[in-house]
Amino acid sequence: GAGVSQSPSNKVTEKGKDVELRCDPISGHTALYWYRQSLGQGLEFLIYFQGNSAPDKSGLPSDRFSAERTGGSVSTLTIQRTQQEDSAVYLCASSFTGGPYEQYFGPGTRLTVT
Amino acid sequence: GENVEQHPSTLSVQEGDSAVIKCTYSDSASNYFPWYKQELGKRPQLIIDIRSNVGEKKDQRIAVTLNKTAKHFSLHITETQPEDSAVYFCAALTESGSRLTFGEGTQLTVNP
Repeated sequence: GAGVSQSPSNKVTEKGKDVELRCDPISGHTALYWYRQSLGQGLEFLIYFQGNSAPDKSGLPSDRFSAERTGGSVSTLTIQRTQQEDSAVYLCASSFTGGPYEQYFGPGTRLTVT
Repeated sequence: GENVEQHPSTLSVQEGDSAVIKCTYSDSASNYFPWYKQELGKRPQLIIDIRSNVGEKKDQRIAVTLNKTAKHFSLHITETQPEDSAVYFCAALTESGSRLTFGEGTQLTVNP
């Protein structure tokens, strides 16, 4: 079956512009996660959605970052007024449900802020 | 919150040798510990995981051990092959289940 997909695969934007990154999780997966991976670094948790529960936003680095998940499926991560330090690969993952289950990762969106 | 430390950051072995990567965690409530392999330019993929009620798990050439008392867990790869070359990440999931905290990764290079 189809895995987790993300779009765009690459995004170059100018400092100060807003960007939207999209994630399509595996069908039927109720849990969705966003992570950020800077060059040569580990994965930094950003936000977690589980079904209809309120999302865990505790990993968002600033109020310029927001995310939503419509209809319990597709998710969009929005970064407003981008800064150069936002440059990274943004990875989305989904799992059957929250908790100790495999998280399946998408290919990521490489964001470059010039 | 949870803090995961991973060592070493780089590891170079000869083909056929064993490789061991170690991680420690801080939150005693953590109950799930996956290991992910990430090849260059690719997405992370789960290679093995262990839950807190088990001390060891093995899958062919890969094994993971967990010491809950000491709060550390390790990945063991035997009979390494060049295709094992990648970055390996350990992670820990807190009991609340809302997030995985990842280690900084280990670049494993297997020399033919």
